[in-house]
Amino acid sequence: KAGVTQTPRYLIKTRGQQVTLSCSPISGHRSVSWYQQTPGQGLQFLFEYFSETQRNKGNFPGRFSGRQFSNSRSEMNVSTLELGDSALYLCASRIRPSGQGSNSPLHFGNGTRLTVT
Amino acid sequence: GQQVMQIPQYQHVQEGEDFTTYCNSSTTLSNIQWYKQRPGGHPVFLIQLVKSGEVKKQKRLTFQFGEAKKNSSLHITATQTTDVGTYFCAYSGAGSYQLTFGKGTKLSVIP
Repeated sequence: KAGVTQTPRYLIKTRGQQVTLSCSPISGHRSVSWYQQTPGQGLQFLFEYFSETQRNKGNFPGRFSGRQFSNSRSEMNVSTLELGDSALYLCASRIRPSGQGSNSPLHFGNGTRLTVT
Repeated sequence: GQQVMQIPQYQHVQEGEDFTTYCNSSTTLSNIQWYKQRPGGHPVFLIQLVKSGEVKKQKRLTFQFGEAKKNSSLHITATQTTDVGTYFCAYSGAGSYQLTFGKGTKLSVIP
């Protein structure tokens, strides 16, 4: 079974630009979550989508947005990039948010390394 | 809000020594998961603990969930160089399935 695929692997953008990152989940997984990873802040939750609906949202400004398509693929967009947005953006999929009273485990992709100059 | 501390932040051990990382919460957790991220890699799911006082083992790794479901630990016996990486706990609060990650414990193993 193919894993979670994220594209592109690396991106270099300039302040003020916008960027779109893509994530294809494991086949059969309908939930996609996005995390930002930086050395100082660790893994921070951005949002989770399930069946094309945003189910949870982290504490990030409105410049960060996402969406999920009917085939469960997801994209996240960051507008008006700032230097502080430089990070590894990780996408993770799971079958659904919950399973038999517990959380379904997350399966992560290799991430997109975004550098803002 | 929910406060979960993961300690220590870093741990350097000699190969063959034991290692333990802890996640401590100020409130009761619904469940807790553990992940490992190798250098340059992505987090990989290790295990989930759901029940009060639960203990699970995976070879040299032992995972515990406290009786009050406010703390959890991951213990590695006789570390090997393959254990190098950052270990994260991930948790959700009551009524939520959003997974929040601890800051992680970075393990270095000196051969």
